[in-house]
Amino acid sequence: GESVGLHLPTLSVQEGDNSIINCAYSNSASDYFIWYKQESGKGPQFIIDIRSNMDKRQGQRVTVLLNKTVKHLSLQIAATQPGDSAVYFCAEIPLGVAGTALIFGKGTTLSVSS
Amino acid sequence: NAGVMQNPRHLVRRRGQEARLRCSPMKGHSHVYWYRQLPEEGLKFMVYLQKENIIDESGMPKERFSAEFPKEGPSILRIQQVVRGDSAAYFCASSLRLGVDTEAFFGQGTRLTVV
Repeated sequence: GESVGLHLPTLSVQEGDNSIINCAYSNSASDYFIWYKQESGKGPQFIIDIRSNMDKRQGQRVTVLLNKTVKHLSLQIAATQPGDSAVYFCAEIPLGVAGTALIFGKGTTLSVSS
Repeated sequence: NAGVMQNPRHLVRRRGQEARLRCSPMKGHSHVYWYRQLPEEGLKFMVYLQKENIIDESGMPKERFSAEFPKEGPSILRIQQVVRGDSAAYFCASSLRLGVDTEAFFGQGTRLTVV
């Protein structure tokens, strides 16, 4: 089964609002997490990453929060814009598993209306 | 510096034919990963290769699917005797090295349709 999953399949927001996309993971040994954005017809694009020894990391308009106690990851997008409309995936790399690539969850579709 | 290049972007095959999907990693990247994405689904890991070696093929179906990453040239994902269930988007990613703090860059994907 999936080791990484998303709480909600879709999220609709108004332009200018803040968006929060959630992700639950089951592998407590996972050491590294990444959020990807995938626009229609394109490949996933890296947004931001975080290591398990951190609980927060900020980028430009985006913040990732990691709660290892409840194995929860979230992506916060400030002042959401129409160009942010896409599917967002969280992905993980389990610690200590040699040769393991990223494991993806199913994704949350973010729709931003003007 | 060109990104990860996949071709063809779209591929139509009849049941029973062979499909060959190509992936040229970013310059200097020796790690290549293949993923499959079904409609409305996440990306499922298939295989991880380094130059001339398959490191992890745990996500690859045991039959009809194979992958290679030769010393020269692109990585190839080969699907023999395709069936309708093989219809999906296939994405390739490459990275400089494996593991934490290593960003994997994705190509635009090959959309395979089996008719």
